[in-house]
Amino acid sequence: NAGVTQTPKFQVLKTGQSMTLQCAQDMNHNSMYWYRQDPGMGLRLIYYSASEGTTDKGEVPNGYNVSRLNKREFSLRLESAAPSQTSVYFCASGGIYSNQPQHFGDGTRLSIL
Amino acid sequence: ELKVEQNPLFLSMQEGKNYTIYCNYSTTSDRLYWYRQDPGKSLESLFVLLSNGAVKQEGRLMASLDTKARLSTLHITAAVHDLSATYFCAVDRGEYGNKLVFGAGTILRVKS
Repeated sequence: NAGVTQTPKFQVLKTGQSMTLQCAQDMNHNSMYWYRQDPGMGLRLIYYSASEGTTDKGEVPNGYNVSRLNKREFSLRLESAAPSQTSVYFCASGGIYSNQPQHFGDGTRLSIL
Repeated sequence: ELKVEQNPLFLSMQEGKNYTIYCNYSTTSDRLYWYRQDPGKSLESLFVLLSNGAVKQEGRLMASLDTKARLSTLHITAAVHDLSATYFCAVDRGEYGNKLVFGAGTILRVKS
């Protein structure tokens, strides 16, 4: 019962480097989400995908791109990393009905020097 | 724009005591979620509240929702050390896609 799996768990980048965070879910959920968590600010939505083939911006999309590869996988890409993107990134998935809570992965701890 | 405020942001309490965490939000919504996060870990769903007057209880935790007051409470009864964690409320924006806005979180420390 893997649930939501994120890779990598930790990453250190230099300013200007690019990388892709991977997320996969095995719960057959339609919706998937990327959040970032910063101290004292809770979680903020970066991008989401309500269904396979669709993506849309959340609260803080600047500097990120996403790809919904199929129903299971949703990736987040940093094209040119900046120190302000140092954060913990969480992927979540959920059903289309709001009576189902979103399920979160273990997070990726990303530091940009 | 939906804003979600939690208070207190930090709570230190003795074992056996009761306390309440408050979650206020700024625009109409009737869907609210509570999550727990242990240090360095993922978020775990605690409660899903879907209508005015909804009340859910699990062990020493009880959550309620008043949509007219735009307020949810998480009440802790007879706290134990294992409840030490960060608690988040999250409110559904009411748009397609079940998008959530999170509060800043309440760090709870239960002292034995």
